[in-house]
Amino acid sequence: GESVGLHLPTLSVQEGDNSIINCAYSNSASDYFIWYKQESGKGPQFIIDIRSNMDKRQGQRVTVLLNKTVKHLSLQIAATQPGDSAVYFCAENIGEAAGNKLTFGGGTRVLVKP
Amino acid sequence: DVKVTQSSRYLVKRTGEKVFLECVQDMDHENMFWYRQDPGLGLRLIYFSYDVKMKEKGDIPEGYSVSREKKERFSLILESASTNQTSMYLCASSQIRGGNSPLHFGNGTRLTVT
Repeated sequence: GESVGLHLPTLSVQEGDNSIINCAYSNSASDYFIWYKQESGKGPQFIIDIRSNMDKRQGQRVTVLLNKTVKHLSLQIAATQPGDSAVYFCAENIGEAAGNKLTFGGGTRVLVKP
Repeated sequence: DVKVTQSSRYLVKRTGEKVFLECVQDMDHENMFWYRQDPGLGLRLIYFSYDVKMKEKGDIPEGYSVSREKKERFSLILESASTNQTSMYLCASSQIRGGNSPLHFGNGTRLTVT
């Protein structure tokens, strides 16, 4: 398959365990955050988003946590499955002053061991 | 489901050729974007458009131009391809102007310039 990053940090997790993927964002004025999943040979796929007026948001098997004090975002995947193997990106909207565009992190590769 | 379709999965072009990358979305989204994705550099914004016949430069517009003649179609043009434009190109669309809505991506076009 195609590689989206040759030197990405990698998280190896046993099937059935919970995964936690971390992201440090850059701008305290950022007000909107998104997590994406990118499988080999595909484009990034939206997983979940969160606005800065929230600390936590849950989806199906995923939870996003936002800590604005330390500018940290995390994605928790419950009961990780082989299909969760992918590269995960966070993205932040760095605000109106910067044109309200999304800026993407470098990504973390998740490998699920059977 | 939003569908963003990029016309080619793989392209091989020679240095100096004019290259067109085509993207179509089927959800009547106002906003469309072109990114390139390179190992170690993540996703970088080339150009975007908030309306028909409208375009704005992203972070790395040099060597590229775009065309948005119809709402559903956003084309990326390499006027004279160079080897440093070998990359994965990702098209995206979003519903809400500005950064506070998720981008929906196509599956990418991997361009090789020889």
